[in-house]
Amino acid sequence: DAGVIQSPRHEVTEMGQEVTLRCKPISGHDYLFWYRQTMMRGLELLIYFNNNVPIDDSGMPEDRFSAKMPNASFSTLKIQPSEPRDSAVYFCASSPIRLLGDTEAFFGQGTRLTVV
Amino acid sequence: EDKVVQSPLSLVVHEGDTVTLNCSYEVTNFRSLLWYKQEKKAPTFLFMLTSSGIEKKSGRLSSILDKKELFSILNITATQTGDSAVYLCAGAGGTSYGKLTFGQGTILTVHP
Repeated sequence: DAGVIQSPRHEVTEMGQEVTLRCKPISGHDYLFWYRQTMMRGLELLIYFNNNVPIDDSGMPEDRFSAKMPNASFSTLKIQPSEPRDSAVYFCASSPIRLLGDTEAFFGQGTRLTVV
Repeated sequence: EDKVVQSPLSLVVHEGDTVTLNCSYEVTNFRSLLWYKQEKKAPTFLFMLTSSGIEKKSGRLSSILDKKELFSILNITATQTGDSAVYLCAGAGGTSYGKLTFGQGTILTVHP
């Protein structure tokens, strides 16, 4: 398996524009996570899905952020309208389910978003 | 709110030194503590710890969990320049499997 695949790797956009980040999780993984990483706040969980269903979106900063998972192999994170403070590296991660506990999350290479 | 705190925030050592990285946690219904290494790109998994007092080891890296005192340490012996990275620890807990709360990371720099 190629691992978690994110696109684009880099995105530069102007304030006010819509931005869509994409993620393909590892096949067979039941969980999908969207994280944001900044120098100030570190790695923060935005939202996660289990079997394509959003479970916890309490980390989504505001209504400008939305995420979808229409099927088991694809998810999007959308920011509309984008603002300079959204500049960060956005990671997608997936993990399998195991009967007796947690497993490690496997991270994609991230999308570096710059909003000017 | 769940919280994971790492110390030190940064560390500079020379090759051959031994380092200890610390991670304390407050995670509701705690189950596991995970360590990741992040170089320039994605975090990569190192260890998952679920039981107190049982050391996990991989080459020069080892880690242990203390569930009574709510902390974990990551040791790296005979450091090499390739160990330079950000080391992240994360706590897993709550009612749903898979959700991780990350600490802010320790930036380790190993000089030749």
